[in-house]
Amino acid sequence: NAGVTQTPKFRILKIGQSMTLQCTQDMNHNYMYWYRQDPGMGLKLIYYSVGAGITDKGEVPNGYNVSRSTTEDFPLRLELAAPSQTSVYFCASSYDRVGEDQYFGPGTRLLVL
Amino acid sequence: DAKTTQPNSMESNEEEPVHLPCNHSTISGTDYIHWYRQLPSQGPEYVIHGLTSNVNNRMASLAIAEDRKSSTLILHRATLRDAAVYYCILRDRGGKLIFGQGTELSVKP
Repeated sequence: NAGVTQTPKFRILKIGQSMTLQCTQDMNHNYMYWYRQDPGMGLKLIYYSVGAGITDKGEVPNGYNVSRSTTEDFPLRLELAAPSQTSVYFCASSYDRVGEDQYFGPGTRLLVL
Repeated sequence: DAKTTQPNSMESNEEEPVHLPCNHSTISGTDYIHWYRQLPSQGPEYVIHGLTSNVNNRMASLAIAEDRKSSTLILHRATLRDAAVYYCILRDRGGKLIFGQGTELSVKP
């Protein structure tokens, strides 16, 4: 049981480039989440999904897109990278939404120059 | 979304109990109180959660005030590996976690 895996671990992007952050979970969880964490701050929710084919915005969705074609995968897409998107990105999953703990991946560190 | 207030930092000695406070005066009746911790350079890790009653698990205890406007995470015997940022979070029916800045716990040998 690998839990939640994220790739890549680290990436440097130039302004205006695009990339996809990958997230996969093998726990058959219905709910998946993307957060970002800026230095010295708590996590902020970008997008979440309650099941395959269903996604919704979190607190800070601007500049990002997501899709959920399978239960296991929840990729996060940055279309036009900006320096403000320099952050650490965490993916998480949970079986249910209320009272269930979320399992987090190890994070992807992104630097936009 | 209801918010939580925690001290920015706390210090503890190894093998002593630690009480981490959290205020959540605007909590609604259906909000769960969750605690997560984040060790350096890692993703957050679930610690414990509760609704109204005090809760115990292998990692910690959660004491919830009768009016639910505050709670305390209790680590019974702090170890060096417990040094982390601890987040107190209210989780509503939508299931979203709204993180604050948390309390940075340092543990002295």
